[in-house]
Amino acid sequence: AQTVTQSQPEMSVQEAETVTLSCTYDTSESDYYLFWYKQPPSRQMILVIRQEAYKQQNATENRFSVNFQKAAKSFSLKISDSQLGDAAMYFCAYMAGGTSYGKLTFGQGTILTVHP
Amino acid sequence: ETGVTQSPTHLIKTRGQQVTLRCSSQSGHNTVSWYQQALGQGPQFIFQYYREEENGRGNFPPRFSGLQFPNYSSELNVNALELDDSALYLCASSPKGQYRDDEQFFGPGTRLTVL
Repeated sequence: AQTVTQSQPEMSVQEAETVTLSCTYDTSESDYYLFWYKQPPSRQMILVIRQEAYKQQNATENRFSVNFQKAAKSFSLKISDSQLGDAAMYFCAYMAGGTSYGKLTFGQGTILTVHP
Repeated sequence: ETGVTQSPTHLIKTRGQQVTLRCSSQSGHNTVSWYQQALGQGPQFIFQYYREEENGRGNFPPRFSGLQFPNYSSELNVNALELDDSALYLCASSPKGQYRDDEQFFGPGTRLTVL
């Protein structure tokens, strides 16, 4: 079974600084997708960034970028120029291709605090 | 474009009762997935519906059941409620068969409390 592990229950960062959230996953699949979702205190889960496993290039979305290390099964999220609005719970998630397509497996989450 | 909506926002039930939660998909999305999120935990996949049929199920007992309607809205039904069913229930829609159909768009959730 696929598992996703986020080893940092909580992280904090100063406004305008950079922070990196860690995620590792376990799978025997070769075709899969990885995601970072943000869940602010209002609860609605928002997709931050996605990575297709077959792509070697790391995904970027404005201030958000990932470091995808396929051999190490690592998928970290870097937030640059942190803003107060980045404060939230962040979840790393995995989706296999094939028959399990559509099923997201989430990590335990990392609470990010941004200090002004 | 209308986002994913869920109702009700909060619900309180007693053990043994039955509950129905509702979800309206984002416009143009034909697939709905349901997740259970216990307090302080990551969401867990319950099941997915595509074209009104169950299309994958997580490790949840049969007392968790669902429906998807022709307009792609969906219901989650839970029978014989247990205390451990207390959680935030999230609905997510996606456009299966379309560009970037791996992306799921989440609703705000229904907070269920079982007493």
